[in-house]
Amino acid sequence: GEDVEQSLFLSVREGDSSVINCTYTDSSSTYLYWYKQEPGAGLQLLTYIFSNMDMKQDQRLTVLLNKKDKHLSLRIADTQTGDSAIYFCAERGNNYGQNFVFGPGTRLSVLP
Amino acid sequence: NAGVTQTPKFQVLKTGQSMTLQCAQDMNHNSMYWYRQDPGMGLRLIYYSASEGTTDKGEVPNGYNVSRLNKREFSLRLESAAPSQTSVYFCASKNRGRDYGYTFGSGTRLTVV
Repeated sequence: GEDVEQSLFLSVREGDSSVINCTYTDSSSTYLYWYKQEPGAGLQLLTYIFSNMDMKQDQRLTVLLNKKDKHLSLRIADTQTGDSAIYFCAERGNNYGQNFVFGPGTRLSVLP
Repeated sequence: NAGVTQTPKFQVLKTGQSMTLQCAQDMNHNSMYWYRQDPGMGLRLIYYSASEGTTDKGEVPNGYNVSRLNKREFSLRLESAAPSQTSVYFCASKNRGRDYGYTFGSGTRLTVV
C-alpha cells in the first residue's frame, strides 16, 4: 500500500531556513500536499503541488518535487517562532476512495 | 465562521463505556472523514462517507461505527471503548473533485482508562 515517510523532528534558529523532507511511494499521485498543525488545533492546508510541476513558490514557502526519487520537500525561508508546528506531508492514495495518506509529521521547533 | 465543528473537545471514558463523537460542516461538502492521530503515526483513516447516504471503512475501522445523518453531519461511535482507542480524533470534509479542499475540525482528545 501507499506509504509516506518523514523525519519526526527538526530544530532551527529563528531567521534560518527550514527544510522538511518527505518520501512517498505512489508514483501515480496527482497532487502532493503539506499540512500544518499548530498545538491543540486541526490540520490546515499549507500548500500543494501538482505532479507535473518541479517547484512551487508561495511567499516564504518553496516546495520541490523530485518525481524520479519520489521526494518532496518544503523550505521555509526566514523561519519565525510562529512557524513552530507539526508539518505533515500527504499524497492522494488509491485505496479508501482515494483518500489522503499522511506521513507521521515533522515537529519543527524554532529556537530564538 | 464556516468550517468543521467537532464536539466534545475532550472526553475521558472508562473501559467498556460508549460514546458518540459529533461532527458537522456548513460548507455544503459532499465527503466527510474520520481520522485518528497517534504520536509518530500520522493520521489514519477510520471511516469515510463519499456522499450523503454512503459510508465505507478506512484503514482502521475496528471498534468504531459511523452514521452520515445528513449532508452536514457525520458521527463516530465507540460502542465499547478500549484503552487502545485513546487518541485524538479529527473530522474532515471536502467537495468531490476538489483535491486540495480538505477542511479539518479542531479535534476531540479522547482518553480511555
